[in-house]
Amino acid sequence: RKEVEQDPGPFNVPEGATVAFNCTYSNSASQSFFWYRQDCRKEPKLLMSVYSSGNEDGRFTAQLNRASQYISLLIRDSKLSDSATYLCVVNLNTGGFKTIFGAGTRLFVKA
Amino acid sequence: DGGITQSPKYLFRKEGQNVTLSCEQNLNHDAMYWYRQDPGQGLRLIYYSQIVNDFQKGDIAEGYSVSREKKESFPLTVTSAQKNPTAFYLCASSISRSGRPQETQYFGPGTRLLVL
Repeated sequence: RKEVEQDPGPFNVPEGATVAFNCTYSNSASQSFFWYRQDCRKEPKLLMSVYSSGNEDGRFTAQLNRASQYISLLIRDSKLSDSATYLCVVNLNTGGFKTIFGAGTRLFVKA
Repeated sequence: DGGITQSPKYLFRKEGQNVTLSCEQNLNHDAMYWYRQDPGQGLRLIYYSQIVNDFQKGDIAEGYSVSREKKESFPLTVTSAQKNPTAFYLCASSISRSGRPQETQYFGPGTRLLVL
């Protein structure tokens, strides 16, 4: 089982739609969580950190469920420019530091 | 502007050749990292460095080498021992390496390495 798992998609949605991605992690020592966005053939860029109480940044909402060991990303009112791959990232501290990247979920927003 | 730069953008390697990828940051970050990205896979850690003159192997260090002589610079050499080097190589940095939520990693634009 992968340490961080994401549905690879692709998710194909029309403009204005709401779309949600989940990411599951297997190690209960996971300490911090992030969503990154990666455009085709570009570097990943931080979208948002994920806090225990959930957090929102404009049209984006991130949630953490430690009991079920997953994080989620909700995008409201999708724009064409949201088309990208979304990477789930987990930091572990098991006596040594480790960052695990999910393989990503591809999103296509259509006009 | 603060940031991370990588060069070259594209690099071609011949059989038996060692090549070096450059990574420079002016963010005053202590920690630097090298990752490899292959299609359909998550980023995999090659090497990381928490401080000048110190570095540690990541999950896939075989066939690679690094140095950290300056805080700003963390070059990666892909040696001839790396039998499948074709990939997208990403350099990243963070303030330190403790895993606290605010210590996110910031990436350079990447280098695509292709084998001739």
